Amino acid sequence: DSGVTQTPKHLITATGQRVTLRCSPRSGDLSVYWYQQSLDQGLQFLIQYYNGEERAKGNILERFSAQQFPDLHSELNLSSLELGDSALYFCASSVLGQGGFGGELFFGEGSRLTVL
Amino acid sequence: SQKIEQNSEALNIQEGKTATLTCNYTNYSPAYLQWYRQDPGRGPVFLLLIRENEKEKRKERLKVTFDTTLKQSLFHITASQPADSATYLCALSRASGGSYIPTFGRGTSLIVHP
Repeated sequence: DSGVTQTPKHLITATGQRVTLRCSPRSGDLSVYWYQQSLDQGLQFLIQYYNGEERAKGNILERFSAQQFPDLHSELNLSSLELGDSALYFCASSVLGQGGFGGELFFGEGSRLTVL
Repeated sequence: SQKIEQNSEALNIQEGKTATLTCNYTNYSPAYLQWYRQDPGRGPVFLLLIRENEKEKRKERLKVTFDTTLKQSLFHITASQPADSATYLCALSRASGGSYIPTFGRGTSLIVHP
């Protein structure tokens, strides 16, 4: 058990819909990362938050947005869903160390999104 | 463009042998390199981290080497066991806007036969 909790574990929805994925980081970790994993793309970095503020952005579509709340949990919002958005979405947390390097990432078990 | 390459073909070995997995990268100068294990349908689990100024790191049956000249990392599992069967991911981190974001390779599947 990594200490990172993601909900829901599975989600099936239709094209054009909007979903929200939730992540609670490990106790004490200030940094949250979101990754998308699909069969053809591998693990792709989407976005990072540190203590409530966006810290780095990766290949995140404009239809996707995220935020980190004062209690440090994070939500990833996916809207106008397309078939190609079907994937596993992972949240990870880390202790952001000196110079911005967070060391090892602790991953949750993921949210499997299926868009029909 | 930056590339991280791991062998897409599964590595099949017999129990007790040493498994060696390769991670090559191009157009990249990582400050850190990490190895993770991922089981089907599960989140990746951290195994080892090595810094750019380190050549080798060990932890129990695991060993990682990092050659910044060859732009390559090797990951070794000695005395392999069927329980070591999983996908192994390498991840490279470099500074970007004050943050270090691990960028992952696509992983190599290891199958250890009893």
